[in-house]
Amino acid sequence: GQQLNQSPQSMFIQEGEDVSMNCTSSSIFNTWLWYKQDPGEGPVLLIALYKAGELTSNGRLTAQFGITRKDSFLNISASIPSDVGIYFCAGLFSGGYQKVTFGTGTKLQVIP
Amino acid sequence: DVKVTQSSRYLVKRTGEKVFLECVQDMDHENMFWYRQDPGLGLRLIYFSYDVKMKEKGDIPEGYSVSREKKERFSLILESASTNQTSMYLCASSTRLAGGRDTQYFGPGTRLTVL
Repeated sequence: GQQLNQSPQSMFIQEGEDVSMNCTSSSIFNTWLWYKQDPGEGPVLLIALYKAGELTSNGRLTAQFGITRKDSFLNISASIPSDVGIYFCAGLFSGGYQKVTFGTGTKLQVIP
Repeated sequence: DVKVTQSSRYLVKRTGEKVFLECVQDMDHENMFWYRQDPGLGLRLIYFSYDVKMKEKGDIPEGYSVSREKKERFSLILESASTNQTSMYLCASSTRLAGGRDTQYFGPGTRLTVL
């Protein structure tokens, strides 16, 4: 199955820094989802985006639905140690059975 | 809060055994999914179901079957477990919210080891 291109693959940052990651697709989606996965756990939904150009926040997290509908971005401001984990984007095109295409993941490590 | 639960967090089975992984969701979602997650391969869809007793093959259905007798429960069955089925198994459910808004929620995962 297809996977979305997510970058960067991994990143080390200092506590307090801002983080940006993005996800690109060759296909159009009308829903973008962002998840965080801690080691040994299932992905937890962070933000859902439903409209091209939409900007949505959840605490220190902000995500944007690209205007081309082929990309999405996630920003984390003022990172803290518990932000450590793997972040996945996911695209969905409604009209089917809500099958989701996932990104390859961005592994975030925060240095205290 | 949406709740997706999986019957076991960790499971160890022997080659050739029949293995059942259970998933239950409490939000009356129509769609349920089974994925496996392996390092370097990401999340891969095994099977999904869009209604009771309905099932569709995902990208990697070989060696697996599923059962959905009740809306809230979706079972993954490994007919004869093999070592290459050692993996993290994730169940998810989804529904269409008002305004055509879709979303998908995951369970905590089952780490299966086949010896």
